[in-house]
Amino acid sequence: GQSLEQPSEVTAVEGAIVQINCTYQTSGFYGLSWYQQHDGGAPTFLSYNALDGLEETGRFSSFLSRSDSYGYLLLQELQMKDSASYFCAVRDSRAAGNKLTFGGGTRVLVKP
Amino acid sequence: DVKVTQSSRYLVKRTGEKVFLECVQDMDHENMFWYRQDPGLGLRLIYFSYDVKMKEKGDIPEGYSVSREKKERFSLILESASTNQTSMYLCASSTSGRVSYEQYFGPGTRLTVT
Repeated sequence: GQSLEQPSEVTAVEGAIVQINCTYQTSGFYGLSWYQQHDGGAPTFLSYNALDGLEETGRFSSFLSRSDSYGYLLLQELQMKDSASYFCAVRDSRAAGNKLTFGGGTRVLVKP
Repeated sequence: DVKVTQSSRYLVKRTGEKVFLECVQDMDHENMFWYRQDPGLGLRLIYFSYDVKMKEKGDIPEGYSVSREKKERFSLILESASTNQTSMYLCASSTSGRVSYEQYFGPGTRLTVT
C-alpha cells in the first residue's frame, strides 16, 4: 500500500519561508503532487514532480528525491492568503486512472 | 476552465437512509473520483472510474457504491447511511495518460448523518 507523512501544522509570519516535508512509502511510484486547500474550499493543484530536483512556480517550489522517498514544498515570501492546508499526494505507477494517495495535510498559518 | 460540480453543498440525512451524491464535470475527462475528507486524515479515496460503466475500489469502499452511466457524471451511493459516514465528500476528475497528473475538484458536499 501507500503511506505519506507530513507535519500537521506550521506557523510563520508574513514574508517568511516555510518548507513542508513529505516522506512516502509506496509499492509503485510515478510522481509527487502538491495541492492547496483553503478553509471551505476545494483542493487545487500546485505542482508535480516526476523526476528528482526542484520545480519552481513563482513563490512556490517543489522538490523531489526519489532515492530518499522524500519531497518538500517551499513557500517563499509568505502572504496572508497562503494560510491554507497543503497536501502531498503520490501517483501510483501501477494503478489505472491516475489514482492518487494523499497525505494527512499540513495546515499553514501565516501571522502578520 | 474545468468545472466540477456537486449536487449539494450541505446534506442532512437520517441513519439508514439511502443517499445519492452526484458529480458532473464538463471537460470530457475519462477519470472521476470520490474522496472523503476528515480532519487529520487527508483525502481518502472511496471509488474511482476510468471509463463509463467502469469502477474500481479505492482505499475505503465499504458502505459505498458508485455509478457511472455517462462520461460526465459520477454518482456516489450510501446504501444505508450511518453516523460514521458523516464527512466532507469531494469529487474530482482528470484526463488519462502518462502526463495527466492534475485532478480537478468539486466544491464538496458536507454530509451529516443523524
